[in-house]
Amino acid sequence: AQSVAQPEDQVNVAEGNPLTVKCTYSVSGNPYLFWYVQYPNRGLQFLLKYITGDNLVKGSYGFEAEFNKSQTSFHLKKPSALVSDSALYFCAVRDTSGGSYIPTFGRGTSLIVHP
Amino acid sequence: DTGVSQDPRHKITKRGQNVTFRCDPISEHNRLYWYRQTLGQGPEFLTYFQNEAQLEKSRLLSDRFSAERPKGSFSTLEIQRTEQGDSAMYLCASSTTGLGDTQYFGPGTRLTVL
Repeated sequence: AQSVAQPEDQVNVAEGNPLTVKCTYSVSGNPYLFWYVQYPNRGLQFLLKYITGDNLVKGSYGFEAEFNKSQTSFHLKKPSALVSDSALYFCAVRDTSGGSYIPTFGRGTSLIVHP
Repeated sequence: DTGVSQDPRHKITKRGQNVTFRCDPISEHNRLYWYRQTLGQGPEFLTYFQNEAQLEKSRLLSDRFSAERPKGSFSTLEIQRTEQGDSAMYLCASSTTGLGDTQYFGPGTRLTVL
């Protein structure tokens, strides 16, 4: 079985400060990991993914995420937050064992960037 | 790349009525997924297609829910005899069949059942 946890419902950060949105996962095999962002009343926008290779993944809008196999984590980071980054962020995992193409999404973390 | 489109964007209906939503995937994508999202939750998988074949439908919420993709292009999701608990955002996504395929989402259809 696969699962994902986003332990923080909300993250508050001041504009210009670094931000981190946390994600931990559980899979039987190896994970495919994804981050998406959702703005109000909109669908999800893809930010980045980890499939294999380099543990540090760079994505859209200056976001990056670090895959840590020993801690089963895939935290989303950005060196300098913008007010426009305020949105809902979802982590998703797909277990590569079993051949399923169905991801499991976390409950989401609301990021609020204060001016 | 025109992205995934969904129609309608909003639907208000009365309890007991049937509703149908349409999804047009990115043109070269042969996988299409349907999700439901309720307030404060992440997307919940419902069903998916590869071309016209529906490969997983056990997670459709009840037998009132059905989906089709007759020609392997657009898809429809139908909810019969709607209930107030069906009120949610219904999301469609599409992808290729490559390794670690990324799902790209449409804007969603917000359903309100009165």
